[in-house]
Amino acid sequence: GNSVTQMEGPVTLSEEAFLTINCTYTATGYPSLFWYVQYPGEGLQLLLKATKADDKGSNKGFEATYRKETTSFHLEKGSVQVSDSAVYFCAHRDNYGQNFVFGPGTRLSVLP
Amino acid sequence: NAGVTQTPKFQVLKTGQSMTLQCAQDMNHEYMSWYRQDPGMGLRLIHYSVGAGITDQGEVPNGYNVSRSTTEDFPLRLLSAAPSQTSVYFCASRPTGERNSPLHFGNGTRLTVT
Repeated sequence: GNSVTQMEGPVTLSEEAFLTINCTYTATGYPSLFWYVQYPGEGLQLLLKATKADDKGSNKGFEATYRKETTSFHLEKGSVQVSDSAVYFCAHRDNYGQNFVFGPGTRLSVLP
Repeated sequence: NAGVTQTPKFQVLKTGQSMTLQCAQDMNHEYMSWYRQDPGMGLRLIHYSVGAGITDQGEVPNGYNVSRSTTEDFPLRLLSAAPSQTSVYFCASRPTGERNSPLHFGNGTRLTVT
């Protein structure tokens, strides 16, 4: 069935460190891929998305590339800030349905 | 621009009590859904709707009912609360006519069942 696997963390980094959060998926067809971010006490907000193979989504210094051959959508940022501390969710929606499938979330803590 | 509004923000129930979690959106989105968020399990889909008068079950529907009488509102009813329903509940919506549109989330309801 459809699923999303991502490293659960928690991930703890120092400010200005490089961030990678791995995400792989299984889905039918050619899904759209998303990264959401959840700050403490809030709902999920869209961070970036990619809708076809080799697309790169980017926002606020974060990037992720849709890799169809490895069914992956890893999230990267070159220099994290304390304000990036949050939980990050990878998700997909396949082209045959309306529902999204989410990964378990990765908690990121950035220390000053 | 309110987006997706959930009420209440916090709720404590005793086992066996019933209650309704409210969700409203002002973006004229056809699709609405309810998720629960539990530690280590991410978000799991409870129920969803693709338009007024249409609802369907998600991954974990047992113990919950929904209805969709209007485009704007999608309430979630707990019929007889159990401690296993202690969770954070999120409502989300999206326009079905836009193929790659993301979900828009409310700020959640934190429910504790004692």
